[in-house]
Amino acid sequence: AQSVSQHNHHVILSEAASLELGCNYSYGGTVNLFWYVQYPGQHLQLLLKYFSGDPLVKGIKGFEAEFIKSKFSFNLRKPSVQWSDTAEYFCAVNARYGGATNKLIFGTGTLLAVQP
Amino acid sequence: DAGITQSPRYKITETGRQVTLMCHQTWSHSYMFWYRQDLGHGLRLIYYSAAADITDKGEVPDGYVVSRSKTENFPLTLESATRSQTSVYFCASSLTSGLYNEQFFGPGTRLTVL
Repeated sequence: AQSVSQHNHHVILSEAASLELGCNYSYGGTVNLFWYVQYPGQHLQLLLKYFSGDPLVKGIKGFEAEFIKSKFSFNLRKPSVQWSDTAEYFCAVNARYGGATNKLIFGTGTLLAVQP
Repeated sequence: DAGITQSPRYKITETGRQVTLMCHQTWSHSYMFWYRQDLGHGLRLIYYSAAADITDKGEVPDGYVVSRSKTENFPLTLESATRSQTSVYFCASSLTSGLYNEQFFGPGTRLTVL
């Protein structure tokens, strides 16, 4: 079965530190990859997505992610985090489900706390 | 542009009661989804719908019922609530079902079953 693994469940950083959140998926077919962010008390918002082409994807708020097909990974990065980046981050893979509908499979999330 | 709205935002109920969570989208998206979010599990798909009157089970459908008589609405009903259904419920929609589908999420409903 398809699955998504996020190895870091809870990350604490100081402002200006660099961030890398790991995401690995298990699915041998064509995949589309997403990172969603959930700020405290809010709904999930799309941070960035990879469909095809350049494996280095740039998203909103200075985030980027690199798709490495050989490693089945889609790690999220940001060179310098801010207090406002405190949120929960979810990696998701779009995979076929039920034969006709694609669905998102989510990782368990990484809670990022940025200390001022 | 209202997007996706969910109601109520917060609900406390008792074991055994029936509860309905509402989801409404204004984009005329074909696909709608219900997820529950629990610590350590991320988001898990409960039910989804490809169009009006077409619904199907997701990963964790037991204890839930859905309907979709109109494209814009996708209510989720807990027929007899249990404590294990205490969770945050998110509704989502997408224009298509293809590999390129991007899902848009509502604000969530926090449900507590006592």
